[in-house]
Amino acid sequence: QKEVEQDPGPLSVPEGAIVSLNCTYSNSAFQYFMWYRQYSRKGPELLMYTYSSGNKEDGRFTAQVDKSSKYISLFIRDSQPSDSATYLCAIRRGSNYKLTFGKGTLLTVNP
Amino acid sequence: EAGVVQSPRYKIIEKKQPVAFWCNPISGHNTLYWYLQNLGQGPELLIRYENEEAVDDSQLPKDRFSAERLKGVDSTLKIQPAELGDSAVYLCASSSGAGGEEQFFGPGTRLTVL
Repeated sequence: QKEVEQDPGPLSVPEGAIVSLNCTYSNSAFQYFMWYRQYSRKGPELLMYTYSSGNKEDGRFTAQVDKSSKYISLFIRDSQPSDSATYLCAIRRGSNYKLTFGKGTLLTVNP
Repeated sequence: EAGVVQSPRYKIIEKKQPVAFWCNPISGHNTLYWYLQNLGQGPELLIRYENEEAVDDSQLPKDRFSAERLKGVDSTLKIQPAELGDSAVYLCASSSGAGGEEQFFGPGTRLTVL
């Protein structure tokens, strides 16, 4: 079993839709949870970072962590064509800087 | 402020040839990472530096890959000899090292081995 699983999609939605992106992980030792956005031919950029279970909101983006289920989610409200990108979840143990990434989900928001 | 700089952006070589990638991290960032990203996959860590010391190179295939960060600033990743399976994007990232939660990525070098 891989340490982190992410549905690669692709996911195609109309503009204005609510998008839900998800990852599961296998080891409860992971404590830090991140979402990165990667545009085509670019490096990943950090969108959201959270440590604890619960929700964290930043504008149209909400990150949700459920440590009991080992499940993390990213919600995008009022999606825009500019949100079209690959979204990567990443997890990290407490004392180690190594990030373990999911495969990424390719999202297309159609105008 | 400039972000992480990588060069070249694209490289095409024939198998068995050597190749080198260069990275200049964000000014003041002590921690530097090299990642490998295959098509349709997330990045995978190859090596992490704290200043000039390689503190995690467990995933670096040392028979053909080498890296250096001699003055604790910029870094070079080398492959010799390259194989067909090395075709991928090589990403460099840096972080401040004080907690280091946010890693800032460069645009990557896309390597094609023919």
